[in-house]
Amino acid sequence: GAVVSQHPSRVICKSGTSVKIECRSLDFQATTMFWYRQFPKQSLMLMATSNEGSKATYEQGVEKDKFLINHASLTLSTLTVTSAHPEDSSFYICSARWTSGNEQFFGPGTRLTVL
Amino acid sequence: AQKVTQAQTEISVVEKEDVTLDCVYETRDTTYYLFWYKQPPSGELVFLIRRNSFDEQNEISGRYSWNFQKSTSSFNFTITASQVVDSAVYFCALSEGITGGGNKLTFGTGTQLKVEL
Repeated sequence: GAVVSQHPSRVICKSGTSVKIECRSLDFQATTMFWYRQFPKQSLMLMATSNEGSKATYEQGVEKDKFLINHASLTLSTLTVTSAHPEDSSFYICSARWTSGNEQFFGPGTRLTVL
Repeated sequence: AQKVTQAQTEISVVEKEDVTLDCVYETRDTTYYLFWYKQPPSGELVFLIRRNSFDEQNEISGRYSWNFQKSTSSFNFTITASQVVDSAVYFCALSEGITGGGNKLTFGTGTQLKVEL
């Protein structure tokens, strides 16, 4: 149990396009999902906290208009990178928290390359 | 604010050697959770352990062991008789609050472990 999937696992896009990444909890309901970003050879940094049915909470320095987060159901959160640029190339990882709130589970990550 | 420090950027050992990965944390909360994750080249995070701030008992799981010392704010990880498959980046992480690790995580910068034959 407690499986989290991400789609796509890898995406390459041209500069200026938008990319949507999905995070799904497959066998449990997740009131809260977290989005992390990891640049090459660096640590994971929290971008935003996504709560089902409400607006996401962004960490300082993360542009909410550029990284659109939608958490429309208890099993799905999406991150859309709008007008992507090469500096947005990174590994994006989501995690999902059980509704009981006492544990979170990570997805396998999405590697975004912007040309 | 919470902070996790992994001072060792990269460690290289020869197979069968023991190796300890250091983790020092900072938090103002009295209730918090500490984690270790393994990240192989594929990128997927592999959960290794979760420890709450009220449980200072050391833990052993096979070749892995963890030493939690609140007095020094450290949560070190030792691999005994290392193997090539242990080669990965290891992250220590901290979650504040009472929800068992269900809050946002602050990660350390990671330690790249290379185990060679």
